[in-house]
Order: sequence, then C-alpha cells, then structure tokens
Amino acid sequence: DVKVTQSSRYLVKRTGEKVFLECVQDMDHENMFWYRQDPGLGLRLIYFSYDVKMKEKGDIPEGYSVSREKKERFSLILESASTNQTSMYLCASSFSGGRIPIEQYFGPGTRLTVT
Amino acid sequence: RKEVEQDPGPFNVPEGATVAFNCTYSNSASQSFFWYRQDCRKEPKLLMSVYSSGNEDGRFTAQLNRASQYISLLIRDSKLSDSATYLCVVRDPGYSTLTFGKGTMLLVSP
Repeated sequence: DVKVTQSSRYLVKRTGEKVFLECVQDMDHENMFWYRQDPGLGLRLIYFSYDVKMKEKGDIPEGYSVSREKKERFSLILESASTNQTSMYLCASSFSGGRIPIEQYFGPGTRLTVT
Repeated sequence: RKEVEQDPGPFNVPEGATVAFNCTYSNSASQSFFWYRQDCRKEPKLLMSVYSSGNEDGRFTAQLNRASQYISLLIRDSKLSDSATYLCVVRDPGYSTLTFGKGTMLLVSP
C-alpha cells in the first residue's frame, strides 16, 4: 500500500514563529504536493515538486516556501506564521505519468492553528 | 483561470436511493477527470477516474460530456457508508497538478 505520512496531526504555533511541516512517501513517487483545505474554499495547491530540488508555485504560494532534498521527503515552511495560515494542510504524492491520469495519494493532514 | 464548480449540497437521501452529482470545468483543454471521496476529518481518496466513454464501478457510474464541459457521478442503491464529500477533480493540461472542486456533501440516512 502507498503510504504518505505527515509529521504531525495537530500543531499549535504562535504568530511569527517559523513552522516546518514534513511529508514522507514510500512509493518512490516523482511528484509531491502541498495543499491547504479551508471550509468553503476547498483544496488549494500551495507548491509542488516534480523532482528532487525542483519546486513550482501553485495557486497560493505567498507566505510559504518548500524544500525537497530527498525524493521521498517534501517540507512546507511557514517563515513567519500568521493567523490566516490556520488551516488543514495536506501533502500528496504521485507518479509522473505524462498524459496518463495519475492518482494522487494524500497524507492524513496536519491541522495547524496559529494563535 | 481554471475552475471546477460543484453544488455543495448537502444532498440528503434515504438508503437505497439513486443520487447524481454534476460538476462543470472551465478549461476546455483539460484531458483527465476524476472523482475523489473525502470522509469527515479524513484525507481525499480516489473514487474513480472518468473516461470519455463513461465508466462504471459497481454502484458508481461516471460520465464525461466534453461539449458541455461537465462531469457526472451517479450512485445507485445508496448505502449509509456512502455518506461523504465527493470532490470533482480535473487535471491541469500539460501538468501533473490537479484542480479540485469544493465538493458535494452526501448524507445517506436509514
């Protein structure tokens, strides 16, 4: 079974803190993604990576950065957390499939609260 | 701007009912389509891919209408365990990224 794990299920941080969210997948997937999910707004893509040390901005990258030093690990960084970054953060991974529809596998999510 | 629109619901149906969800997408160049299911407080999981010819998986049938740019999901003989949010998902042309609809909530009651 494909497994995507995230470092924490729940996290509480203070405004201005630097926050690291870690994601690890065990299926040798090329692609990895970070989303946030908010009520009424659905899932929105923050950043994605299609290879080690490669990163691409998604739809809402402002206030976030990412790091992918190893194929299996993709980190999301909040340089200075703000209250509007309180959200559920979901990591996903997939194979790179060209034109073939490729399933994304999601981790269980990290519910981050910034106070 | 890429958009995927869904009726948020909730759809309240009794067990055994047939229910259908529709979804529209804005990018006519989109090639790949999916339905994901998300249970309360859980991560999304792929329910089924949607092919041009339509496809069926047990009680679930997905259809694609490219001319009208909409996708449908039909659930027959609803079960209590079908209660979830159903996400319409479109792959962005030329990328491995996906655009998710906001989801349609289904509540199946005894």
